[in-house]
Amino acid sequence: AQKITQTQPGMFVQEKEAVTLDCTYDTSDQSYGLFWYKQPSSGEMIFLIYQGSYDEQNATEGRYSLNFQKARKSANLVISASQLGDSAMYFCAMREPPSGGYNKLIFGAGTRLAVHP
Amino acid sequence: DTGVSQDPRHKITKRGQNVTFRCDPISEHNRLYWYRQTLGQGPEFLTYFQNEAQLEKSRLLSDRFSAERPKGSFSTLEIQRTEQGDSAMYLCASSAGGTGELFFGEGSRLTVL
Repeated sequence: AQKITQTQPGMFVQEKEAVTLDCTYDTSDQSYGLFWYKQPSSGEMIFLIYQGSYDEQNATEGRYSLNFQKARKSANLVISASQLGDSAMYFCAMREPPSGGYNKLIFGAGTRLAVHP
Repeated sequence: DTGVSQDPRHKITKRGQNVTFRCDPISEHNRLYWYRQTLGQGPEFLTYFQNEAQLEKSRLLSDRFSAERPKGSFSTLEIQRTEQGDSAMYLCASSAGGTGELFFGEGSRLTVL
């Protein structure tokens, strides 16, 4: 069965520094998609970045990059130049195959990030 | 605001009562999802609609749960005879394409006393 593991319940980072949030996944499928979402205290899940299993380049979106190591089944999120507004819960997720072409996602338990001034 | 909206944002009810949540997706999105999130956990998939058709239901969705999406627009999630274990955040999301980005609403938090 597919599974997402986030081993860091909480992380602290100083403003303007970079931080890495860990995510490992377990799947026997060759085709899958990996996502990172941010959940501020308001509750809304905000999409950050996506990596397809066949993408050769690591995904980047502004200050977010995904360190994709396929052999190790890891998809760590790197946030560069942290800002106070980055304080939130962060969830790693995987599209569960076969999904019939829609986004049935499996989420990890999340990591709470606190950015200190 | 043209994002996904959910109503009510908070609902407190007594065990045994029925509750209904509404989700208005982004207008041009034909795909709609419901997820449930309990405290300290990530969201869990409940059900998926493509237009008005409910194409998948999770085993988490017991017989007390029913979801509809009449006319392929807004959706409702009803929980009958609520139990304390139903206390959770119920998240709605929509997308334009099959595996396109999910846009989530802010959720409806249910507390069952």
